[in-house]
Amino acid sequence: QKEVEQNSGPLSVPEGAIASLNCTYSDRVSQSFFWYRQYSGKSPELIMSIYSNGDKEDGRFTAQLNKASQYVSLLIRDSQPSDSATYLCAVGGGKLIFGQGTELSVKP
Amino acid sequence: SAVISQKPSRDICQRGTSLTIQCQVDSQVTMMFWYRQQPGQSLTLIATANQGSEATYESGFVIDKFPISRPNLTFSTLTVSNMSPEDSSIYLCSVVTGEVSYNEQFFGPGTRLTVL
Repeated sequence: QKEVEQNSGPLSVPEGAIASLNCTYSDRVSQSFFWYRQYSGKSPELIMSIYSNGDKEDGRFTAQLNKASQYVSLLIRDSQPSDSATYLCAVGGGKLIFGQGTELSVKP
Repeated sequence: SAVISQKPSRDICQRGTSLTIQCQVDSQVTMMFWYRQQPGQSLTLIATANQGSEATYESGFVIDKFPISRPNLTFSTLTVSNMSPEDSSIYLCSVVTGEVSYNEQFFGPGTRLTVL
């Protein structure tokens, strides 16, 4: 059974802080790794994709991938209240398997 | 990026009836998928909608319960048949618009289904 694990949270950080979201996966042959943001009552929105080991930065977001440790993370710098949402980690090599999501709350 | 629409956006249905959900994309896409998101849960893949052929279903999902059509590269339907309250969920279509190897999936707005 291929699994993707995330801490369910909620993760609470003050405005301006760095939020760190973590994800582990079980299938060693996975090739594609994604982070989605889902606001309450809305559908998931793709915010980051990463395919090779290391860091990938896009604005305030940094995705980190370590295939040896089967670990992928998302850092959100200068967190804003508008970042408050559930963040879903997804892993796949064709089909995507989603984690349970981490609820992030950014307090003003 | 592609614009994805779903109809209906929400519905309330009676037990034992069926509902067909439509997913329309404004441009041709390489792959289309159907997911279910039960209340407070993450996304579960129901099936891959294959253009011109039978859908590929995931474990626990069967064609009789969730028939899927994909007549062309921009449109797909999912039917939830013989509904029970356990089928109350959000149903989402997703598409891959770029290279399949990158597998970036984009989601439609979802259909919120309540079965009484």
